[in-house]
Amino acid sequence: DTAVSQTPKYLVTQMGNDKSIKCEQNLGHDTMYWYKQDSKKFLKIMFSYNNKELIINETVPNRFSPKSPDKAHLNLHINSLELGDSAVYFCASSQTQGMTEAFFGQGTRLTVV
Amino acid sequence: AQSVTQPDIHITVSEGASLELRCNYSYGATPYLFWYVQSPGQGLQLLLKYFSGDTLVQGIKGFEAEFKRSQSSFNLRKPSVHWSDAAEYFCAVGVVSGFQKLVFGTGTRLLVSP
Repeated sequence: DTAVSQTPKYLVTQMGNDKSIKCEQNLGHDTMYWYKQDSKKFLKIMFSYNNKELIINETVPNRFSPKSPDKAHLNLHINSLELGDSAVYFCASSQTQGMTEAFFGQGTRLTVV
Repeated sequence: AQSVTQPDIHITVSEGASLELRCNYSYGATPYLFWYVQSPGQGLQLLLKYFSGDTLVQGIKGFEAEFKRSQSSFNLRKPSVHWSDAAEYFCAVGVVSGFQKLVFGTGTRLLVSP
């Protein structure tokens, strides 16, 4: 009964490929996020969706396209992968009203070779 | 712009000793403050949060943090560290401006020596 689950946990792929990471939350939250953790462990928000609508896009390249089929799912598709995309990607969710804590998934370690 | 500073990249503490991890934030409004822990290969787990009220907040695993507005700080403390506390600790400020997001510090890696 994992609250926020991501698949896959590890992803190794070649430059130029297209890949997707899936995220699902069973907390009934309205808002979902993608955060990127770089090699220095720095965490930064990429996207936020509220009830399937994009509300934050933090100057992420167009190669990254989030998709939210319903408010419990937020998938991340990455086109034309580059070496610099190697990172750990975390999905998270939170309630919408005011500021509440975010619940994070286990992360997906993406390695582009 | 909002920012969070964790001045210590690494800290080593003996098992059983006390711990304090520093966090300073920059935010124009009332801050919402969080501490998360990331164990090796794991996701982020919320330790505690401060929204308002009592400036000393208690969290899980015996951790506590104190909000000091005058110092723009939210330091994390534990009176007696256990080997299982070895992990990466992240301080974050919650930003609400029509939407909400977390702005994280760069993290502090805690090493626990026997």
